[in-house]
Amino acid sequence: AQSVAQPEDQVNVAEGNPLTVKCTYSVSGNPYLFWYVQYPNRGLQFLLKYITGDNLVKGSYGFEAEFNKSQTSFHLKKPSALVSDSALYFCAVRATFDGAGSYQLTFGKGTKLSVIP
Amino acid sequence: GAVVSQHPSWVICKSGTSVKIECRSLDFQATTMFWYRQFPKQSLMLMATSNEGSKATYEQGVEKDKFLINHASLTLSTLTVTSAHPEDSSFYICSATENYGYTFGSGTRLTVV
Repeated sequence: AQSVAQPEDQVNVAEGNPLTVKCTYSVSGNPYLFWYVQYPNRGLQFLLKYITGDNLVKGSYGFEAEFNKSQTSFHLKKPSALVSDSALYFCAVRATFDGAGSYQLTFGKGTKLSVIP
Repeated sequence: GAVVSQHPSWVICKSGTSVKIECRSLDFQATTMFWYRQFPKQSLMLMATSNEGSKATYEQGVEKDKFLINHASLTLSTLTVTSAHPEDSSFYICSATENYGYTFGSGTRLTVV
């Protein structure tokens, strides 16, 4: 079974400082990894994904994430946080090949990011 | 980019009535769509996988007779909450997959009174 761990329920960071939201995963075979952001009462907005290739993935709104296979991690980072980045962030994983053919995403529990002015 | 439209954004219904939520892929064909339920301050819980032209696959513990899913075309999946009760009040989100990506609808806030 595949799983995602986001060890921090909440991350607080001052505006202008770098931010990191942590994610580790467990999956059979090679993973497809995703980060999404959710604002209150809204659906999920796609930030970035890792499918194959370079381990450093650049995404929307200045976010990036580094795939680390040995540590099974996919931490989300941004060099300089904005107040508007305050939201709920979800990491998700799916296996490259799903024997059931359903290709379901498995989500972490989410990390609330608060950027303090 | 891919867009998924979900309607309504919010709905209030009386206990015992049924509510239908629509999920449309606007600029791509989605053979597979997913329906999630999200409780306050919690992650998304997969309810079912909807495949065009076939029966949905429900996750363990999800009542298929209560949460009816229909995926009659490559661009439309619907979730009908039948005989709704207050405990069905929640935030429901759909998702469609295309080219290794997953696009989400904006969600539906269901309140059963």
